[in-house]
Amino acid sequence: GIQVEQSPPDLILQEGANSTLRCNFSDSVNNLQWFHQNPWGQLINLFYIPSGTKQNGRLSATTVATERYSLLYISSSQTTDSGVYFCAVDGATNKLIFGTGTLLAVQP
Amino acid sequence: EAQVTQNPRYLITVTGKKLTVTCSQNMNHEYMSWYRQDPGLGLRQIYYSMNVEVTDKGDVPEGYKVSRKEKRNFPLILESPSPNQTSLYFCASKRYRVGADTQYFGPGTRLTVL
Repeated sequence: GIQVEQSPPDLILQEGANSTLRCNFSDSVNNLQWFHQNPWGQLINLFYIPSGTKQNGRLSATTVATERYSLLYISSSQTTDSGVYFCAVDGATNKLIFGTGTLLAVQP
Repeated sequence: EAQVTQNPRYLITVTGKKLTVTCSQNMNHEYMSWYRQDPGLGLRQIYYSMNVEVTDKGDVPEGYKVSRKEKRNFPLILESPSPNQTSLYFCASKRYRVGADTQYFGPGTRLTVL
């Protein structure tokens, strides 16, 4: 099956810093999504981005489907950005296959 | 507001006491599914449904049942819960069509089985 790897596994930032999170996947996919899991456990949709680049406020994402990776950029980080960031791709039967996540801690 | 809702959000129960976690979406999505999230194991799919009256097993279906009698609802049933079903559960939905689309997740149900 498709393998999804994320890096780095952990990241500590000072408020205001920028960061880049990476997601590698082992096969071509129709769907790639980025999620933020907040400290209360809720999964928040950030981007649906099977290819190309999208921006939403301080967050942006780029997927290069031909090279099988996606990047999530967080600029001017805030403490509310803390949590776990997951990328996920479509497997068989529309199942989402999640990466292992990047645990982000933003310190004031 | 387009959303997926789950109830209850938190539940503590005892071994063997049947329970149902409800899931409802208001986006007229055909596809719905259940995932569980466990430390070190990530999110794994339990069951999914392509449409009304069409359900199938995911990766970890043992100990669970589902039904899809209406398009908007997809309840998860634990007939005889056990401690190894203590987990964080998510319901999700999406349009089912050729190609792909965004999956939307509910807020999660944190279940503890004593």
